[in-house]
Formats: sequence, C-alpha cells, structure tokens
Amino acid sequence: NAGVTQTPKFHILKIGQSMTLQCTQDMNHNYMYWYRQDPGMGLKLIYYSVGAGITDKGEVPNGYNVSRSTTEDFPLRLELAAPSQTSVYFCASSYPAHYEQYFGPGTRLTVT
Amino acid sequence: QKEVEQNSGPLSVPEGAIASLNCTYSDRVSQSFFWYRQYSGKSPELIMSIYSNGDKEDGRFTAQLNKASQYVSLLIRDSQPSDSATYLCAVNPTGTASKLTFGTGTRLQVML
Repeated sequence: NAGVTQTPKFHILKIGQSMTLQCTQDMNHNYMYWYRQDPGMGLKLIYYSVGAGITDKGEVPNGYNVSRSTTEDFPLRLELAAPSQTSVYFCASSYPAHYEQYFGPGTRLTVT
Repeated sequence: QKEVEQNSGPLSVPEGAIASLNCTYSDRVSQSFFWYRQYSGKSPELIMSIYSNGDKEDGRFTAQLNKASQYVSLLIRDSQPSDSATYLCAVNPTGTASKLTFGTGTRLQVML
C-alpha cells in the first residue's frame, strides 16, 4: 500500500491564481482531512470528510474548497490565492472511530 | 486557554538518557490521545496512541495518561540521535467525531 499520497510536492502560485492540491489514499479509509501547518503554529484543520459526498469545515476553511466524489480522493481547491495561504498542506486519513490519522508527505505551497 | 498545550523546547538530552515530553489538554472528557513524531521537512508520523489511564509501552516509547490531571506524556528510553524531531501531542475532543486537536509540538534534541 502506498498509504496517503499528495501532489504536487512543491508549488509556487501567483496571487489571485487558483490551484488544486491532490490527495489519494489506498487504505479504504472513510475519513479524510486537510491541514495546514505554519511555523510554530501547529496543525490547523481546513476541511474534513466522513465519506464520499460528505464534507465539512474545519477550523480555517476560508479561501478553500473541497469535494469528495470517491472514497480514495479528497482534493483541496484554492481560489484566488493570497500570500496568507503560503504554508505546508497535509492530507490525512483514518478509519471511523479509530481516530488514528495517517498523513501524506505534504505539499509546500508558496503564494507570491 | 489553548486546547492542547506543549512546551515548545528545545528539550536537550544526552544520548542514552530518558526524554520526557509533556502535554496538557483542556477538554476534561477527551477519550483518545496520540503522539506524533515529525522530522524537519517531513509529515507527522503516528508513534503512540493511548485511550485509558496508566502507561502504555511500545519498544523504547511509553505513553502515560492521567485523565484526572488532564495530562499525557511520552517517555523515550535510551534516546538516540535519530529521535531528534518535533513531537506533537494530539487529542480527540468530545463530540468532534474523529477530528484531532494538535499541540504546537516539542522539539527534542538528542546530543551525542
């Protein structure tokens, strides 16, 4: 199993552009999450999903959108990128009721 | 008050010593607790989970939970330079499905 995979690994985005961060898991986990991590600020939950077709906001959802059409994929969309969205983005997944989350390798995004 | 608090460190210990990492949390009825290790530039890796009061041992790692004091700790015995990383404490607050709240992490340095 590859676990949780994310693409791209790095990206530079211009202010006002949009892009989609990809996340795929092959562990048949129902629950998936998107976090951002800024230096010294810990992990902040952006959006999460408890299954295909079901998504909900986390702590810092503004400026982002998600969709979940399959169990495996949970893309994160950035619309009208701003410098404040410069961060490292992690996708994670878990079984329901296990709570143990497994993380992908991350995407380092710079908005200039 | 932060929901999950950790000392940012760095915590410096000599090789072969016991490293003790501490975490306090504010939600008195939280049920699930996790320790993640994060090397610089990498994603968080789950190393321990604990759900009931007392100690849980896995190799050189021991997690300790005291729900009355709202305190969870991680002991690393025979610390090695490869243990040098940031350790994140995560808590599943009550009523949040499988969402986790993360502390900002403690940086551990194991000195030769």
